[in-house]
Amino acid sequence: DTGVSQDPRHKITKRGQNVTFRCDPISEHNRLYWYRQTLGQGPEFLTYFQNEAQLEKSRLLSDRFSAERPKGSFSTLEIQRTEQGDSAMYLCASSSLGGLADTQYFGPGTRLTVL
Amino acid sequence: GQNIDQPTEMTATEGAIVQINCTYQTSGFNGLFWYQQHAGEAPTFLSYNVLDGLEEKGRFSSFLSRSKGYSYLPLKELQMKDSASYLCAVRDFSGGYNKLIFGAGTRLAVHP
Repeated sequence: DTGVSQDPRHKITKRGQNVTFRCDPISEHNRLYWYRQTLGQGPEFLTYFQNEAQLEKSRLLSDRFSAERPKGSFSTLEIQRTEQGDSAMYLCASSSLGGLADTQYFGPGTRLTVL
Repeated sequence: GQNIDQPTEMTATEGAIVQINCTYQTSGFNGLFWYQQHAGEAPTFLSYNVLDGLEEKGRFSSFLSRSKGYSYLPLKELQMKDSASYLCAVRDFSGGYNKLIFGAGTRLAVHP
């Protein structure tokens, strides 16, 4: 079991550019979550997939943000026309329906810096 | 509304015992989780409660009182490597799907 992986680990971009992050969940985990974390705060929920279906989106997820999980395995999070306020750590987590308490296991995150 | 409160910072001495508290208000409570997060790293799962009482799990036990909206994480025999942020998270089902609502975390500094 290799754990949740995320790519890239760091991304520096200029304001107005588009960025895309990838998350590979623990194999056979059918639930996948995206969170955003800023310094000194806990993670904030962004969106949730069960298999390939996106079942919930936070109001934090503006129309510049889009997430996909096309085959129910890996997921991508795209941010269009980045703003300085998008600078944060983007965390992905996965869990298994029927696993221990549906516990979410986190990846190492992608740290985004928007200049 | 949803609200989770934890102390911002705590300090302790190596070998000592500390208790990190968490109070919460949520409309769709479906369990409480504790995570440890070292600086620049991902949160790692420590413990989980859904029923009242103490859930014993080695060094990382946790206690829950649903009627009081209160949980605590007792850390025993502190080691330097325990210096980290400890995140309390409530699993909320009020939207129809489970999601974790996190507190801001408690930064614990362990000194020799």
